[in-house]
Amino acid sequence: KNQVEQSPQSLIILEGKNCTLQCNYTVSPFSNLRWYKQDTGRGPVSLTIMTFSENTKSNGRYTATLDADTKQSSLHITASQLSDSASYICVVSDSTSGTYKYIFGTGTRLKVLA
Amino acid sequence: NAGVTQTPKFRILKIGQSMTLQCAQDMNHNYMYWYRQDPGMGLKLIYYSVGAGITDKGEVPNGYNVSRSTTEDFPLRLELAAPSQTSVYFCASSSPGQSRQYFGPGTRLTVL
Repeated sequence: KNQVEQSPQSLIILEGKNCTLQCNYTVSPFSNLRWYKQDTGRGPVSLTIMTFSENTKSNGRYTATLDADTKQSSLHITASQLSDSASYICVVSDSTSGTYKYIFGTGTRLKVLA
Repeated sequence: NAGVTQTPKFRILKIGQSMTLQCAQDMNHNYMYWYRQDPGMGLKLIYYSVGAGITDKGEVPNGYNVSRSTTEDFPLRLELAAPSQTSVYFCASSSPGQSRQYFGPGTRLTVL
């Protein structure tokens, strides 16, 4: 069964600290993996996307990594800010049927404290 | 561009009532989707559409209906609301060949 699991479920860190969120998937075949940020009361917004051949992708203070062999991805947040408080969702896509199928993780809820 | 818009933002329904959640996008995207997000769960696909006049069921379609008469609009209909449909509903759109989805702000629905 295609699944995307994220850990931890929730995380609290102090402003200025770094953190790493994990995503493990069993989706096959694999097309790409995307990290979304979802602020409270808002829809998810794309942060990064990685295809099979990409190992690392950065977007400002956000750096995503992908190990397609072990089917693991991580999202590293550097020098966290209060505005980073949100849920982070890992989404794995399969496009073999011609249209994208998206499998969503349950998300990691990050709280950054002053 | 307004992107993806949804109305209403909040709604409380009584069991057995019906309502339509509105979704519109101004990016000329062919693909549109409806998801529900329950607490602590990942987004679940209810229905999707690959173009005007074409819709198909997702993972959890029971109790819902959709129509797609134009490229811009993709309303979601609840005919007989049940407490199990209490959730946050997100509409999204994307272009063919592009995996990025653009999400609306969501509709928080409570069925009592």
